[in-house]
Amino acid sequence: AQTVTQSQPEMSVQEAETVTLSCTYDTSESDYYLFWYKQPPSRQMILVIRQEAYKQQNATENRFSVNFQKAAKSFSLKISDSQLGDAAMYFCAYRTISNTGNQFYFGTGTSLTVIP
Amino acid sequence: DTAVSQTPKYLVTQMGNDKSIKCEQNLGHDTMYWYKQDSKKFLKIMFSYNNKELIINETVPNRFSPKSPDKAHLNLHINSLELGDSAVYFCASSQSMWGSEAFFGQGTRLTVV
Repeated sequence: AQTVTQSQPEMSVQEAETVTLSCTYDTSESDYYLFWYKQPPSRQMILVIRQEAYKQQNATENRFSVNFQKAAKSFSLKISDSQLGDAAMYFCAYRTISNTGNQFYFGTGTSLTVIP
Repeated sequence: DTAVSQTPKYLVTQMGNDKSIKCEQNLGHDTMYWYKQDSKKFLKIMFSYNNKELIINETVPNRFSPKSPDKAHLNLHINSLELGDSAVYFCASSQSMWGSEAFFGQGTRLTVV
């Protein structure tokens, strides 16, 4: 079964600094998607970034980038120039593209605090 | 226009009641989901539908019954509500069963008293 592990329940970062959130996953599949979702206090789940496993290049979206290590099954999120609006719960998620599964597996989340 | 919309946003009800949560997506997606987020923020799949057909039915009590009248709608009906049903319920959709990201509704906070 696929599992997603986020080992940091809470993290904090100074405004304008950089922070990295960790995520590891377990799968026997070779092709899949990985995601980071953000859940601010408003409760809305917002997609931050996605990575296709077949792509070697790490995904980047403005201040957000990932470090995808397929062999190590690691998928960390780096937030640069942290802003107060980045404070939220961050979830790492996995999705296979095979027809054996049709769901997203989520980690337990990392609560990020941004200190002014 | 909201892509995935759920109603109501908040629901407070007494034990034993029956309630429904509605979900609609205007993205033209084929696949829709219900996820439950517990008090520790853990997200767990409940159901998944593809083109109105039930694909995933995780181990949830029979009191929970999804209904998909068309591929743009996936409603969740809950019978005989219990205290343990209190949680946030998220509806989501994706382009297909093997599509990439999911788009989420704003969640429904259900409180059973």
